[in-house]
Order: sequence, then C-alpha cells, then structure tokens
Amino acid sequence: DAEITQSPRHKITETGRQVTLACHQTWNHNNMFWYRQDLGHGLRLIHYSYGVQDTNKGEVSDGYSVSRSNTEDLPLTLESAASSQTSVYFCASSESAGGYNEQFFGPGTRLTVL
Amino acid sequence: GQNIDQPTEMTATEGAIVQINCTYQTSGFNGLFWYQQHAGEAPTFLSYNVLDGLEEKGRFSSFLSRSKGYSYLLLKELQMKDSASYLCAVMDSNYQLIWGAGTKLIIKP
Repeated sequence: DAEITQSPRHKITETGRQVTLACHQTWNHNNMFWYRQDLGHGLRLIHYSYGVQDTNKGEVSDGYSVSRSNTEDLPLTLESAASSQTSVYFCASSESAGGYNEQFFGPGTRLTVL
Repeated sequence: GQNIDQPTEMTATEGAIVQINCTYQTSGFNGLFWYQQHAGEAPTFLSYNVLDGLEEKGRFSSFLSRSKGYSYLLLKELQMKDSASYLCAVMDSNYQLIWGAGTKLIIKP
C-alpha cells in the first residue's frame, strides 16, 4: 500500500544546530507540503513543492528550507534551530494542486529545541 | 487577511448528533475540506465541498454556503471513537489550504 512516512518521529536538539526532517511518499504524488502544528493555531504551511526541482515558500518559511531532487522525498531543514521552532511537523502529499485533491499526511515529527 | 473560525471545544453524548460550525474569510475559494485528527496522530480526510449544499457520507455530512462563508460538519450516532479534533480548511485562490485551529470534540458515555 502507498504511504507517507516521516523520520525521526521524535527529535530533541539544541538551539543553533542544523536539523533535517525526512519525508518520503510512495503515492507518486507531484505535490508535497510541510506544515507545523502548534496549540491554538491551525496547520501552517512552511514550504511546498509541485514537482522535482520546484520549491515554494509558505506562510511561515523563515528559518526553514527544502529541496526536491526526486518525486518521493521532500526533506525539511532547520538551518539554525530556535526554541520558537519547537512544534509538531507534518508532511503531506497530494496528486495535483487544485480542487478536489485531498492531502495525505505523514504521522508527524515532534521536534523540541532546547 | 485570511481567517477560519471554528469553536475550540465541544462536548456531546454517545449516540447523539453534533454540528461543528466553520466560518471563513479567504482570498478566493476553491473548496472546503474537513479533516479528523485523533490526539497524537495525523489528520485524515473526511469531506470536501465546493458547491452549496449538503454532502452526505455515512454518519458524517458536510454543508456549505458560499454566500455566507459558512460550513458545518454534522456527526450522527456519535461513537466514542469520534472523540477527536475536527479541522476545517479552505482552499484559496492560490490553491493553498488555509486551516482553522480545529474543534476538539469530547464524547461522553
């Protein structure tokens, strides 16, 4: 069965360190998204990609970067982790951009920055 | 700015019916989604509305009024497993999903 996985599931790091969160999907979807979820807020879009070599900034992209070298993977890098980046991070994918295209979510990565 | 409003928390009784409301103000509209999210898990898709009216899917129904910027999710015959957060999201003119903060639904026996 097709799926979307994230690793690690839990990560504790220190302020200033570089951290990379992995996202891998076997749906063969063109579109991939990274969100963060914090109490009291809806899911907020960090970065997204509509295909290989395509990346775009979302609502809260400062301090984050992504790269898309193949269809399956969209790693998210925190260049210099800050305590404000403590959050739960979800990766999602969808077949195409518009209309009725549900997004399928990975299980999430809980990141703590000390 | 873009805004999605939904109640923070609701409580209902097993076997009963509950309606979760969502109001939105967004830059354009390309559909409204409802997702369910159990604690500590990923959101999962429940429903999609793009035209006015009611969409029914088993115990769950979703309604949309585009002129009022309003939707609701109706859950019937509530079961304990329906205890979860329900997320409303609107696809804007850029085909980005704008998410509400979610409604935590507590089911009591």
